[in-house]
Amino acid sequence: QKEVEQDPGPLSVPEGAIVSLNCTYSNSAFQYFMWYRQYSRKGPELLMYTYSSGNKEDGRFTAQVDKSSKYISLFIRDSQPSDSATYLCAMAVNKFYFGSGTKLNVKP
Amino acid sequence: NAGVMQNPRHLVRRRGQEARLRCSPMKGHSHVYWYRQLPEEGLKFMVYLQKENIIDESGMPKERFSAEFPKEGPSILRIQQVVRGDSAAYFCASSQAPGQGNSPLHFGNGTRLTVT
Repeated sequence: QKEVEQDPGPLSVPEGAIVSLNCTYSNSAFQYFMWYRQYSRKGPELLMYTYSSGNKEDGRFTAQVDKSSKYISLFIRDSQPSDSATYLCAMAVNKFYFGSGTKLNVKP
Repeated sequence: NAGVMQNPRHLVRRRGQEARLRCSPMKGHSHVYWYRQLPEEGLKFMVYLQKENIIDESGMPKERFSAEFPKEGPSILRIQQVVRGDSAAYFCASSQAPGQGNSPLHFGNGTRLTVT
């Protein structure tokens, strides 16, 4: 079993939709949780960084961590075509572990 | 406000040549990580370094690959005698704090290595 599981998609939504991206994990020791956005032929860009459980909001983005279910989510409100990218979840305790990424396409 | 700088952005090598990839971490960061990414695939950890020390090289192939982060200058990922299978995007990331997790990783835009 992989440490971090992420549906590869692709996920296709119309502009303005609410997008939900998710990851599950197996190691209950993970304490730090991150979401990255990666455009084609670019490096991953840090979007959200959270510690332990709870929600964190930044503009149109909300990160949610449910440690009891070993489940993290990234919500994107009012999605835009410019949000089309691959989204990677990551988590860490003594090492960083990355999901394989979900490809998102927001159609105008 | 320079982020993580990687060069070159694109590198073409013939089979058997050496490839040198450079990474300058963000200002104030002294921890460097190297990852490899194949098209449509996730990031594969290669090595974690602090200044003058290799902390974790569990993801590095045993042969032909080496990494360093000297006291002065950028971190270098070196691939000797490249083969076609080495063609990939290589990303460098840096973080501020010791320990893994209590400071997030910030990535460069990668070096795309093509072996012909």
